[in-house]
Amino acid sequence: DTAVSQTPKYLVTQMGNDKSIKCEQNLGHDTMYWYKQDSKKFLKIMFSYNNKELIINETVPNRFSPKSPDKAHLNLHINSLELGDSAVYFCASSQVTLDGYTFGSGTRLTVV
Amino acid sequence: DQQVKQNSPSLSVQEGRISILNCDYTNSMFDYFLWYKKYPAEGPTFLISISSIKDKNEDGRFTVFLNKSAKHLSLHIVPSQPGDSAVYFCAAPGGYSGGGADGLTFGKGTHLIIQP
Repeated sequence: DTAVSQTPKYLVTQMGNDKSIKCEQNLGHDTMYWYKQDSKKFLKIMFSYNNKELIINETVPNRFSPKSPDKAHLNLHINSLELGDSAVYFCASSQVTLDGYTFGSGTRLTVV
Repeated sequence: DQQVKQNSPSLSVQEGRISILNCDYTNSMFDYFLWYKKYPAEGPTFLISISSIKDKNEDGRFTVFLNKSAKHLSLHIVPSQPGDSAVYFCAAPGGYSGGGADGLTFGKGTHLIIQP
């Protein structure tokens, strides 16, 4: 029933590892996003995909790579994880109206 | 450089009273504003929005006021209820270098605590 679901909810991993976070939406939205909430609680956009095409790519290290196999899915791959990557990552989706912006419940990534 | 600022990290209000959450912005290109509410371990959920052509938008107990000349908006909740205890984010579309209009720039959030 969940509109935007992301897995896993918690992820603890060692520095240098490669990990992925998956996101799926069943709302029929055309645009999906990844946001990062850092330790200072700022929510910042990382990527935006519209119908599988990359639209927004903010200043994010190349170690982060989004992949959109279809418009209902937007996964986030992170290579060579660093301590500073520890954060909560939120997936979101929207259609035409900004009011329809729906967030997932977040993935808390801890790099040790 | 924060383009959307919420200068009160927390706010404590008695149940039944009015809660007023403030937000300031610096980017004069912003023409639409949204408030999101977030509970712990959940994603933000949309609460209410306002276009820059309006100065007020009301939805039940929630009202957002926009003062364009002061680049200031506020969210009023009346009467405040225990379930309103959450973090409230102010946001506006745009404001980043990557282009595109649908990504949101968020403030840092205000933690509202409703006391019984």
